[in-house]
Amino acid sequence: RKEVEQDPGPFNVPEGATVAFNCTYSNSASQSFFWYRQDCRKEPKLLMSVYSSGNEDGRFTAQLNRASQYISLLIRDSKLSDSATYLCVAAHRGSTLGRLYFGRGTQLTVWP
Amino acid sequence: NAGVTQTPKFRILKIGQSMTLQCTQDMNHNYMYWYRQDPGMGLKLIYYSVGAGITDKGEVPNGYNVSRSTTEDFPLRLELAAPSQTSVYFCASSYGNTIYFGEGSWLTVV
Repeated sequence: RKEVEQDPGPFNVPEGATVAFNCTYSNSASQSFFWYRQDCRKEPKLLMSVYSSGNEDGRFTAQLNRASQYISLLIRDSKLSDSATYLCVAAHRGSTLGRLYFGRGTQLTVWP
Repeated sequence: NAGVTQTPKFRILKIGQSMTLQCTQDMNHNYMYWYRQDPGMGLKLIYYSVGAGITDKGEVPNGYNVSRSTTEDFPLRLELAAPSQTSVYFCASSYGNTIYFGEGSWLTVV
């Protein structure tokens, strides 16, 4: 079983829509979680960290449910510029940051 | 702001050839990494380093070697290239909870 599982999509939504991505992780040793954004043929870039209490950054909200071992990302009022692949990432407790486990990514296309 | 710089950006190799992907960072980060990303897949860790002189294997180290003689540089060596090594390679460095990626190296083995 993969460490991190994501629905690969694609998700195709109109501008202004709200879209949610879910991600599950299999190893309970996972302690830190992140969402990365990757544009086509570009490197991943950190979108936001995910905290147990949930956190919000503008139109983006991330949630963590440790009991069910899933992480979510909610995007409100989608913009054309949100079109990208969103990578769910888990890091294990006590490991170096290098031991990040990346999901396959969820592809989002926002259309006008 | 250079950040993490990888070269070359594109390369075509013949089966059995060897090459080195160069990676350098100017942020004085101790932690550096090499990942590969196959089409439609997530990133897989090849090797990582927690400081000069220290390297360790990741998930998929076979067919690769690394060295870390300085804090700045972390080259990845491919010996006897195989078609299975066709991929995009990302070098990265980290500080705290943030990883900074290079722009990627597209490698095709034919």
